[in-house]
Amino acid sequence: RKEVEQDPGPFNVPEGATVAFNCTYSNSASQSFFWYRQDCRKEPKLLMSVYSSGNEDGRFTAQLNRASQYISLLIRDSKLSDSATYLCVVNPRYGGSQGNLIFGKGTKLSVKP
Amino acid sequence: ETGVTQSPTHLIKTRGQQVTLRCSSQSGHNTVSWYQQALGQGPQFIFQYYREEENGRGNFPPRFSGLQFPNYSSELNVNALELDDSALYLCASSFPGAFSTDTQYFGPGTRLTVL
Repeated sequence: RKEVEQDPGPFNVPEGATVAFNCTYSNSASQSFFWYRQDCRKEPKLLMSVYSSGNEDGRFTAQLNRASQYISLLIRDSKLSDSATYLCVVNPRYGGSQGNLIFGKGTKLSVKP
Repeated sequence: ETGVTQSPTHLIKTRGQQVTLRCSSQSGHNTVSWYQQALGQGPQFIFQYYREEENGRGNFPPRFSGLQFPNYSSELNVNALELDDSALYLCASSFPGAFSTDTQYFGPGTRLTVL
C-alpha cells in the first residue's frame, strides 16, 4: 500500500463547479498534513495546511480525519486559474519544515469555460 | 516567489556521467531538502541538510550525495547516471520552528535528462 494515495483524476469540471479531492495515508503516526498545488512543469507551492478541526481559506476548505487517516480538499466556485495538479502531503514530524514530506501522486484538475 | 533558486534549469547528460545541481535557500532558512520528481509522480525525498549536516535520507542509493555550505546553500551530486535518473530535481528550504504551519518552500527545479 502506498504511503499517500489520492484520487487518480483527471477531474474535468466547468467553471463555477464544486470539486472535492480525497486522500488517504497509511502511517497513523503522521503529524502534519498539507495540500500543495503544482502547475504544469513548475514547482509545488503550498496551498494550505490541514488541521483536525478543518480549515478554510476563501474558496478552499481542507479537512483531516485522523481516525480514518483521510484528508480532503474542497474547492468551491472553481475558476479557470484553479487548473493544476493538487498534491496531498503528509509529514511524520510535527510541522513541515523538517523531515520527509511524503507526497501523493497528485490529482489533475482542469476547469473549463 | 519563494526566494529559493536552483541552477541549472535544464541539463542533458549521458549514462555513466556525473552531475552537480545547486540550490540557494531562502534568506534566513537553514534547512535544505532535495526531492526527485519523475514524470507523472509526486516528489520523492532524497535527503535533507540542517546546519551543514545530513538530517535524514530517503530510499536512494549512495551515488546520490549532497553537501550544505556555511551560507546554507546546497549541492546534490549524482554519480554514474542511469536513464531512470531523468526527472525534475527540486530543492526546498525551510526554517524549523514550533508551528505546525512551518513547511518547506520549493525552488523552480532542475530538469535532468539522461540519454
